[in-house]
Amino acid sequence: GQNIDQPTEMTATEGAIVQINCTYQTSGFNGLFWYQQHAGEAPTFLSYNVLDGLEEKGRFSSFLSRSKGYSYLLLKELQMKDSASYLCAVMDSNYQLIWGAGTKLIIKP
Amino acid sequence: NAGVTQTPKFRVLKTGQSMTLLCAQDMNHEYMYWYRQDPGMGLRLIHYSVGEGTTAKGEVPDGYNVSRLKKQNFLLGLESAAPSQTSVYFCASSQTSGSYNEQFFGPGTRLTVL
Repeated sequence: GQNIDQPTEMTATEGAIVQINCTYQTSGFNGLFWYQQHAGEAPTFLSYNVLDGLEEKGRFSSFLSRSKGYSYLLLKELQMKDSASYLCAVMDSNYQLIWGAGTKLIIKP
Repeated sequence: NAGVTQTPKFRVLKTGQSMTLLCAQDMNHEYMYWYRQDPGMGLRLIHYSVGEGTTAKGEVPDGYNVSRLKKQNFLLGLESAAPSQTSVYFCASSQTSGSYNEQFFGPGTRLTVL
């Protein structure tokens, strides 16, 4: 079966750095996505990785290792507005997105 | 641009009632999707469409029907609602279905079936 695993909840302090991990087992691989979802709102796109390595976009970076079936999202200089759920999704061989359950990130002052 | 819009935002149904959720996008996207989101689970694809007049089943299609009569609209129907269909429903659209497939989501519809 296809499976995406990520921690259910994480807590971090404002101004700090946090890393959210995602491991996956899917039938084929055509890219990995990270989305942000604030409570009661729609998911919004954060990043896309299809090759191994680190993609940096401002305070957010995303890393991929295809051989290990592993990705992480790194958030730097945390702000209170970063409190949200972070969804990891993998595009499989049929170009369908398989979604993880999301990691709820709580930022404390 | 409004992006992706959904109506209604909230709805309460009794078991056995029917309803239609409407999704509209103004980005001229070819691909549209209906997902449901339940606590502790990832988004699950119900149905999707690769273009006007075409639809296909996703991971959890049972109990739902869809239509894409116009490119900008994608309708999700529940013919006989069941409590198991209590969920948040998200519509999304994308320009392509290739590997780089950023999906744009609507604000969601919260449905409760009593």
